[in-house]
Amino acid sequence: GENVEQHPSTLSVQEGDSAVIKCTYSDSASNYFPWYKQELGKGPQLIIDIRSNVGEKKDQRIAVTLNKTAKHFSLHITETQPEDSAVYFCAAPRGNDMRFGAGTRLTVKP
Amino acid sequence: DAGITQSPRHKVTETGTPVTLRCHQTENHRYMYWYRQDPGHGLRLIHYSYGVKDTDKGEVSDGYSVSRSKTEDFLLTLESATSSQTSVYFCAISEGVTNQPQHFGDGTRLSIL
Repeated sequence: GENVEQHPSTLSVQEGDSAVIKCTYSDSASNYFPWYKQELGKGPQLIIDIRSNVGEKKDQRIAVTLNKTAKHFSLHITETQPEDSAVYFCAAPRGNDMRFGAGTRLTVKP
Repeated sequence: DAGITQSPRHKVTETGTPVTLRCHQTENHRYMYWYRQDPGHGLRLIHYSYGVKDTDKGEVSDGYSVSRSKTEDFLLTLESATSSQTSVYFCAISEGVTNQPQHFGDGTRLSIL
């Protein structure tokens, strides 16, 4: 099973609002945290990632924050648009492989 | 988009038959992975490869085998398919194991009746 817990499993927001998805990991040695967006019928696509030597990274409307002490990291999407509707996955290393969260289905209502 | 091609994209087969899924990359990445995706479980690693003829087991490897005879191709085989192996299978590639992004193909939807 996952060693990465992801919440919430579903999230519905109005267009223009912000969305936040949080993940908690278990391996304190983890040093790389990617986020993926998956649209229907497609494979996951990397949208942003962060390494453990920084606490926050932004790319236009998306940002990721990392709290290494608490072992959690979050995805923030501002000014949401209908095309942001998708399933989002976080991931964190554990030993020799990456472990993925169970996913968050984000729905942005026009 | 990363050059990853999975084939077939869809397959329906019967319990007990052998099935082989293919992943082909044009990026010359060293690492290749096979995942399965099931509702409520996210992505779970089946096997991965860290070079030609070098493979290792992942979290859910029972009932699956893999082979990598060329850098660009990674095959996943179900020797005798079972209904519990009905899933969507994704191939991924990366330049590093745990500190580099993985890039995914568009998946193979496999149904075992």
